[in-house]
Amino acid sequence: DAGITQSPRYKITETGRQVTLMCHQTWSHSYMFWYRQDLGHGLRLIYYSAAADITDKGEVPDGYVVSRSKTENFPLTLESATRSQTSVYFCASSNSPGLAGATSSYEQYFGPGTRLTVT
Amino acid sequence: SQQGEEDPQALSIQEGENATMNCSYKTSINNLQWYRQNSGRGLVHLILIRSNEREKHSGRLRVTLDTSKKSSSLLITASRAADTASYFCATDARTGRRALTFGSGTRLQVQP
Repeated sequence: DAGITQSPRYKITETGRQVTLMCHQTWSHSYMFWYRQDLGHGLRLIYYSAAADITDKGEVPDGYVVSRSKTENFPLTLESATRSQTSVYFCASSNSPGLAGATSSYEQYFGPGTRLTVT
Repeated sequence: SQQGEEDPQALSIQEGENATMNCSYKTSINNLQWYRQNSGRGLVHLILIRSNEREKHSGRLRVTLDTSKKSSSLLITASRAADTASYFCATDARTGRRALTFGSGTRLQVQP
């Protein structure tokens, strides 16, 4: 039971390069999320997806692109990396709504994170 | 802008003592959740309290919610060294988006 995985775990890239962070979950959760975590800011939502082919912007979407062609995958692409995108990136997933009385459908399950450094 | 703000930013206690962390938020919510993050790891869900609940318990955790003051507290009783971590509150605002807004967290250090 792999749960939710992210790859790579560590990445160093140069300014201007395109880089893609991968996220894969094995639970068939409908919802998937991308956050970035920076000192003093907690976690900030970049993009999220309610289902395959449905994505929406979060709080800090500029400079990022997402896609969700399959339920289990939610890659995040930095089209032209900048130093300000140096951060730790977390992917998360949660279950479908409508599970009667199930507060567990609101819980988010997080991957281990990807530490990205842009030089 | 951040929905939730934790207080204090850092807390150091001795093993066996209780730890209390507070969270304030700005808008109406469906529910409020608390997560723990060990150093270098992803976040782990601890407990969820709905907007119509005032108190909830789970093991050594006690969460309160005061919607009139837009605040919540997390109490960890009889703390252990293994409780050393950062704790975040997260709110699910009434936007229908199911996306959480996290506070900046409280770093808890439990000294053995």
